[in-house]
Amino acid sequence: DAGITQSPRHKVTETGTPVTLRCHQTENHRYMYWYRQDPGHGLRLIHYSYGVKDTDKGEVSDGYSVSRSKTEDFLLTLESATSSQTSVYFCATGSEGSTDTQYFGPGTRLTVL
Amino acid sequence: SQQGEEDPQALSIQEGENATMNCSYKTSINNLQWYRQNSGRGLVHLILIRSNEREKHSGRLRVTLDTSKKSSSLLITASRAADTASYFCGVSGNTPLVFGKGTRLSVIA
Repeated sequence: DAGITQSPRHKVTETGTPVTLRCHQTENHRYMYWYRQDPGHGLRLIHYSYGVKDTDKGEVSDGYSVSRSKTEDFLLTLESATSSQTSVYFCATGSEGSTDTQYFGPGTRLTVL
Repeated sequence: SQQGEEDPQALSIQEGENATMNCSYKTSINNLQWYRQNSGRGLVHLILIRSNEREKHSGRLRVTLDTSKKSSSLLITASRAADTASYFCGVSGNTPLVFGKGTRLSVIA
């Protein structure tokens, strides 16, 4: 995960507040992904991007939006955070198609009180 | 759903023993991938096996794929304490990878 950073790494916020998580890559990978990881659910895809300004929904996209204005940055926004969005969020990138190897960032632990 | 389902959920072995974990899935795939996650870290890619392959090796790792049974296995030989981690299979069809819930492997020194 040397070329993928996530910020912040930890965040505590209150219900109803907007939150933006940032993923930054230096690998020039075309594909970027946002996952959430919860006990008992494993890793679930929220949204992904297959190019600048090109995004699509994943399995658990409700309550989340994304933006990608540059190749290197992929933002995940919780418009109005809820306690059910307390989770660990991982960003991943991939250079080939969406079905090929992914490279993961270190994760962001988000707590919504 | 294409989601991979790992089995067992948890596995505890002694150092030097072999560890085997399995992944089952439901639909046709392009490839299947195995990842490792150490506590508090992101996933790290271990090995990718394509649907037309039956077996792949990488160091102490051996992966098999049986598309007729829709299952894969990951074998770690001569396990070490450093292999302690969670292991996930990711299933790839025509959509991005879908991960299972993982197998937690504990290797006791």
